[in-house]
Amino acid sequence: SQTIHQWPATLVQPVGSPLSLECTVEGTSNPNLYWYRQAAGRGLQLLFYSVGIGQISSEVPQNLSASRPQDRQFILSSKKLLLSDSGFYLCAWSVRYRGTEAFFGQGTRLTVV
Amino acid sequence: GESVGLHLPTLSVQEGDNSIINCAYSNSASDYFIWYKQESGKGPQFIIDIRSNMDKRQGQRVTVLLNKTVKHLSLQIAATQPGDSAVYFCAGTNTGNQFYFGTGTSLTVIP
Repeated sequence: SQTIHQWPATLVQPVGSPLSLECTVEGTSNPNLYWYRQAAGRGLQLLFYSVGIGQISSEVPQNLSASRPQDRQFILSSKKLLLSDSGFYLCAWSVRYRGTEAFFGQGTRLTVV
Repeated sequence: GESVGLHLPTLSVQEGDNSIINCAYSNSASDYFIWYKQESGKGPQFIIDIRSNMDKRQGQRVTVLLNKTVKHLSLQIAATQPGDSAVYFCAGTNTGNQFYFGTGTSLTVIP
């Protein structure tokens, strides 16, 4: 069966520090991968999605970047965190071309202080 | 899109009553619609989906209704239980690469 792992679960980082959140998927090949952010009490904002290794599409301009070094690995990064980067970050995957459902990881609660 | 910045609407229901959660969508290209349930501090979990050529689909205690004419989707939960308290999101996808999420509704079940 397919599983998605996202870590860490919680993270407190100072302003100006770098960020690296990692997400891996097991049990499937060639997935579409997604990074979402959710502010407290609000909806899901799509940050990045990827349809293959090295292929990243950005939905909104921001202080973050994403990379896909391997087929089932998706990394969210920042060189210098801002206070406004605080939020709940969710990684998700779907079956390429035929996906009718996005499967979510458990999320990372990031607090920038 | 723009909806992600809005505060979640809320819905409170008595335990045992039926709940109806509504969602308006704008992307006419979606050919599947999905309802997710998100409990506090967790990722969204799939509840039920419906293909765009259908107008109703039933699951266990849940029913999804789709009205493409007015671009409206609803989730009905029968005999709501305390464990149903969560945030509910609708999403549309064109079985391609993107999922478009609605604002979400926070459901509170009163014992």
